[in-house]
Amino acid sequence: EIVMTQSPATLSVSPGERVTLSCRASQSINSNLAWYQQKPGQAPRLLIYDASTRTAGLPARFSGSGSGTEFTLTISSLQSEDFAVYYCQQYSIWRTFGQGTKVEIK
Amino acid sequence: QAQLQESGPGLVKPSGTLSLTCVVSGVSISSPNWWNWVRQSPGAGLEWIGEVSHIGTNNYNPSFRSRVTISLDTNQFSLKLSFVTAADTAVYYCARRTMSTYAMDVWGQGTTVTVSS
Repeated sequence: EIVMTQSPATLSVSPGERVTLSCRASQSINSNLAWYQQKPGQAPRLLIYDASTRTAGLPARFSGSGSGTEFTLTISSLQSEDFAVYYCQQYSIWRTFGQGTKVEIK
Repeated sequence: QAQLQESGPGLVKPSGTLSLTCVVSGVSISSPNWWNWVRQSPGAGLEWIGEVSHIGTNNYNPSFRSRVTISLDTNQFSLKLSFVTAADTAVYYCARRTMSTYAMDVWGQGTTVTVSS
């Protein structure tokens, strides 16, 4: 099983700041990676797939990068609606998710 | 605009079978898509359970393969998970992925299932 490790577990950020979330795969997954956002009581929402492709309508402040084993989700200027938990998911071999990074208000 | 809605018993007895249904609206279940089940628990986080294609082909997570069945019906698909234990207590989501990516772009709101006697 491919293990996905996200860091940090929690990030305390002020609105307007730049945020960088990391996701590491236990083996190469090429670009077979998605990022999801989840708010309390809601289902995950797909943000990015194939490591860097934004879903339709996703604000440009969200961007994804990386390949192989190291991936990054960047939010260029955090808005109030962006406080949430973010998960990465690999789909190279079956599907596994990371444990999430909680972005909270500082 | 595809929409998904889970339904089923919120309480299942240990060693029993968990049965959930996901109703699909806004898109034909026969259109080229894969229909997925994912669960989330505090202990295990998000776990992909498996999927069924629009023509009934299955892919299952090896961790569940021996006790899971995902099947297709008219405008809905279902999950059956047998021999459940307390570890199967979770929020269960149905979700769609298109043929062009393995990422899941449409999700139901989730339904909580508790395994307890």
